[in-house]
Amino acid sequence: DSGVTQTPKHLITATGQRVTLRCSPRSGDLSVYWYQQSLDQGLQFLIQYYNGEERAKGNILERFSAQQFPDLHSELNLSSLELGDSALYFCASSVDPQVGSYEQYFGPGTRLTVT
Amino acid sequence: AQSVTQLDSQVPVFEEAPVELRCNYSSSVSVYLFWYVQYPNQGLQLLLKYLSGSTLVKGINGFEAEFNKSQTSFHLRKPSVHISDTAEYFCAVSGRGSQGNLIFGKGTKLSVKP
Repeated sequence: DSGVTQTPKHLITATGQRVTLRCSPRSGDLSVYWYQQSLDQGLQFLIQYYNGEERAKGNILERFSAQQFPDLHSELNLSSLELGDSALYFCASSVDPQVGSYEQYFGPGTRLTVT
Repeated sequence: AQSVTQLDSQVPVFEEAPVELRCNYSSSVSVYLFWYVQYPNQGLQLLLKYLSGSTLVKGINGFEAEFNKSQTSFHLRKPSVHISDTAEYFCAVSGRGSQGNLIFGKGTKLSVKP
């Protein structure tokens, strides 16, 4: 158990819908990362937050957004869903990468299926 | 920008045999290197990491990796594998001075046969 929790574990929804994925980082970790794992694209970095502020952006679509709340949990919002958005979404957490070891702890993931 | 190439998508091996999973990276800056393992229907678990210092790093479950700067490689090795090592292995890189986001390779599926 990494200490990172993600809910829900599975999500099935229809095209055009909007969903919210939730992540709680390890106790003491201020940085949260979101990754998408799909068969065709592999593991891709989406976005990073540190202590409530966006720190880095990767290959995140404009239909996707995220935020980190004062209690440090994070939410990834996916809207206008398409079939191609079906994937496993991981959250990871770490201490501040500027002073830490860059070691990231991954949650169990949320499997999103868009029908 | 960084990129990672895992040269083998699948590696079948017999139990108790040695194994090497290959990883090459490309980067215009110095990097930190990682190997993660993903068991079926689970998240990613860190096996080992290279940040600085000794180029031979040891990780969990008997795995080790060697950082070779001249060949831009970070191959993962285990002298004797077990059935329980069957999983997908991902090599990842992060640029020094970056925000720590990881760039992953496509993964190598290790299949250990009895």
